[in-house]
Order: sequence, then C-alpha cells, then structure tokens
Amino acid sequence: NAGVTQTPKFRILKIGQSMTLQCTQDMNHNYMYWYRQDPGMGLKLIYYSVGAGITDKGEVPNGYNVSRSTTEDFPLRLELAAPSQTSVYFCASSYQVTEAFFGQGTRLTVV
Amino acid sequence: AQSVTQLDSQVPVFEEAPVELRCNYSSSVSVYLFWYVQYPNQGLQLLLKYLSGSTLVESINGFEAEFNKSQTSFHLRKPSVHISDTAEYFCAVSEGYGGATNKLIFGTGTLLAVQP
Repeated sequence: NAGVTQTPKFRILKIGQSMTLQCTQDMNHNYMYWYRQDPGMGLKLIYYSVGAGITDKGEVPNGYNVSRSTTEDFPLRLELAAPSQTSVYFCASSYQVTEAFFGQGTRLTVV
Repeated sequence: AQSVTQLDSQVPVFEEAPVELRCNYSSSVSVYLFWYVQYPNQGLQLLLKYLSGSTLVESINGFEAEFNKSQTSFHLRKPSVHISDTAEYFCAVSEGYGGATNKLIFGTGTLLAVQP
C-alpha cells in the first residue's frame, strides 16, 4: 500500500497564481484532512471531509477550496496565492477519527 | 469547540533522563486523544492513542500517556530518553464517535531535544 500520497513535494508560486495540491489515499478511509504547518504554530486544520461529496471548513479555510468527488482523492485548491500561504501542507486520512495517516507534505513558497 | 494546549514549546533533556510533555484539552463532549511524532522533514506518525478503556496507554518504544478526565490532560512521559527520541511531538484531540464535528485538532507542538 502507498498510504497517503501528496504531489508535488515542492512548489514556488508567484503572488496571484493558482494551483492545486493533490492528495490520494488507497486505504479506503472515509475521513480526509488538509492541514498547514507553520513554525511555532503547530498544524492548523484547513478543510476536512467525512466522505465522498461532503466537505467542511476547519480552523483556517480562507483562501482555499476543496472537493471530494471520490473516496480516494481530496485536492486542495489555492485560487489567488498570497505570501501568507507560504507553508508546509499536509494531507491525512483516517477511518472515522481513530488514527490519521499523513502524507509527506508539500512545501509551498509564494513570492 | 475542542482545543489543545501544549504549554512547552521546547523541552531540553539529557540522555537517559525522564521526560514529561504536557497536553491539556478542552471539549464539551467525550474525546479521543492522540500523540503524534514528527521527525525532521517528515510527516507525522501516530505514537499512541486513547479511545476508551484503560486511561494509561503505551507505545512500543517506551512512551506512555495517561488520560485524566478531571484535569482534562493527556501528558506524555518516558522514564529514560534516547538521542533518537529527538523530534517534535504533537498532542491532538477529536470528539468521540457520534460527536457533532469529528474534527482532528492539533496543539502547537513540543520540541524534545535530547542532549548527550
């Protein structure tokens, strides 16, 4: 099993550009999450999903969008990139909320 | 809404000494509690979890944590640390099965720095 796979691993965006961070899992988990990690701030929940077709906002959703058309995929969309979105982004999945499995992260820099 | 507080941003400790990393949570309903570990440039890995039953839970590498409902705490302990335990440790909480939100919320993390 590959677990949770995130692409790309690194990306540099210019202010105002858009991009999609991809996340896919092969464990048939119903829950999926997107977090951002900033130094000294821990992980902040951006969006989460409890199943295909269902998404909800987390702690810091502004500037992001998500969709969950399949159980496996949970892409995160940045529409107008801003320097404040420079961060490391982690995708995770779990069966209910018992144990989350994390991807290796995407390091995003907005310049 | 649930929240997690890790008061110590960094804990320096000498090798073979005991350590305690503190975690307090707030929630209006029953909770599941977790400790995750992150090594440099990696994702998070589950260290241990409390879902129900015994309030003392253990990991395979010697860490343990105790769920204390009255003090709303889930402190992580190890009686003797190794250099290889150097990492950042995150406490997390989610509302128990059937809770209104089922979100998984993390604390700000504690860097455990083990010195020889």
